Amino acid sequence: SYELTQLPSVSVSPGQTARITCSGDVLGENYADWYQQKPGQAPELVIYEDSERYPGIPERFSGSTSGNTTTLTISRVLTEDEADYYCLSGDEDNRVFGGGTKLTVL
Amino acid sequence: QLQLQESGPGLVKPSETLSLTCTVSGGSISSSSYYWGWIRQPPGKGLEWIGSIYYSGSTYYNPSLKSRVTISVDTSKNQFSLKLSSVTAADTAVYYCAIRSRSMTGYFHFDYWGQGTLVTVSS
Repeated sequence: SYELTQLPSVSVSPGQTARITCSGDVLGENYADWYQQKPGQAPELVIYEDSERYPGIPERFSGSTSGNTTTLTISRVLTEDEADYYCLSGDEDNRVFGGGTKLTVL
Repeated sequence: QLQLQESGPGLVKPSETLSLTCTVSGGSISSSSYYWGWIRQPPGKGLEWIGSIYYSGSTYYNPSLKSRVTISVDTSKNQFSLKLSSVTAADTAVYYCAIRSRSMTGYFHFDYWGQGTLVTVSS
């Protein structure tokens, strides 16, 4: 079974850059998606296929992958970006989410 | 714009079968451009992929749940369903239905989600 590892929490000040990473062997062979989840809401797609921004997502959000690590970068962070972020990857018969990273905007 | 709504019992007894339906509005789900899937989230915890079904009828399940899960689709009703058998308290979670759409490059991603429904397993 695949595993994707994320840090439980990341903190940044408004206007700074947040980098949220996701690591796992499966990323060497499969694309990753990133989802944003705010309290009490369903997840929303932010980035797909490693680096493609979903329509309606601000340009401040970007994604990249190097080797077995994929990174979600949020530039010029706003307080409204405070949320949990999850990566997702894997084969069709074994999709796996990372454990999630709580982004706190101080 | 597709809209998804989960429905089903909010309380299930241990050892029984959890059954949920996802009703889709705003467009037809009968398309080779879609997978239909289920994801769950235990209270205060992360997301877990349960499984997906493709237009062709092919099903894909989380290996840890495979022996207990069945996902089916009824395109005539624009609905798809989840059945999880022999439930325990560990299956208490918010259950989300979601649709994976095909991108321009041919890959699929979950871009339509229901609001989620809490299912509690308790006697």
